[in-house]
Amino acid sequence: DVQLVQSGVEVKKAGESLKISCRGSGYTFNNYWIGWVRQMPGKGLEWVGIIYPGDSDTRYSPSFRGQVTISVDKSVNTAYLQWSRLKASDTAMYYCGRHRGSSSTDNFDIWGQGTMVTVSS
Amino acid sequence: EIVLTQSPGTLSLSPGERATLSCRASQSISSYLAWYQQKPGQAPRLLIYGASSRATGIPDRFSGSGSGTDFTLTISRLEPEDFAVYYCQQYGSSPMYTFGQGTKLEIK
Repeated sequence: DVQLVQSGVEVKKAGESLKISCRGSGYTFNNYWIGWVRQMPGKGLEWVGIIYPGDSDTRYSPSFRGQVTISVDKSVNTAYLQWSRLKASDTAMYYCGRHRGSSSTDNFDIWGQGTMVTVSS
Repeated sequence: EIVLTQSPGTLSLSPGERATLSCRASQSISSYLAWYQQKPGQAPRLLIYGASSRATGIPDRFSGSGSGTDFTLTISRLEPEDFAVYYCQQYGSSPMYTFGQGTKLEIK
């Protein structure tokens, strides 16, 4: 089965760093864009950015550029979302998703289960 | 940035009824539109891509239509498991593939 498995719940303090992960299995990881979506408590979905594992080409939403870093480790079929200095406003559920095809112009067809990040001030 | 506006915000219907959800884009996105369903405590699930193609395993009571700026998701006969929040997403304008604000489909 094609699936994405995300790392577990995180509780951090403002100013700390954090890296959450999303491991793909059941498909050729290098060939599909993989990305991140934020959902703040009680709110809608926000597109953060995507990365192509084959060459690490990365695209960010202007709203998130400079606030987070998306990376990938092909050797372990895993994508990452990281923060160097967390803020209370980063508190949210973060989902990873895989693009339906190999194009950057595509939507997510497979989703991870989500990683809840709570940042206290 | 392309803005997607979904209407209505909340739709109250009974099982067996027909649901019509709307998504309007601030500029043309051709057919680069997807629809997702999200239930409480769950990740979104892809229903429709390319404005009108059903994703794998999605029942045929779900259908999508539209192109350009106006799109519709129709659920022909509501089942109890269909009550959820529905989001549209455009992926025609890189690098920001925006989502609509969502429509909550609730039981009347």
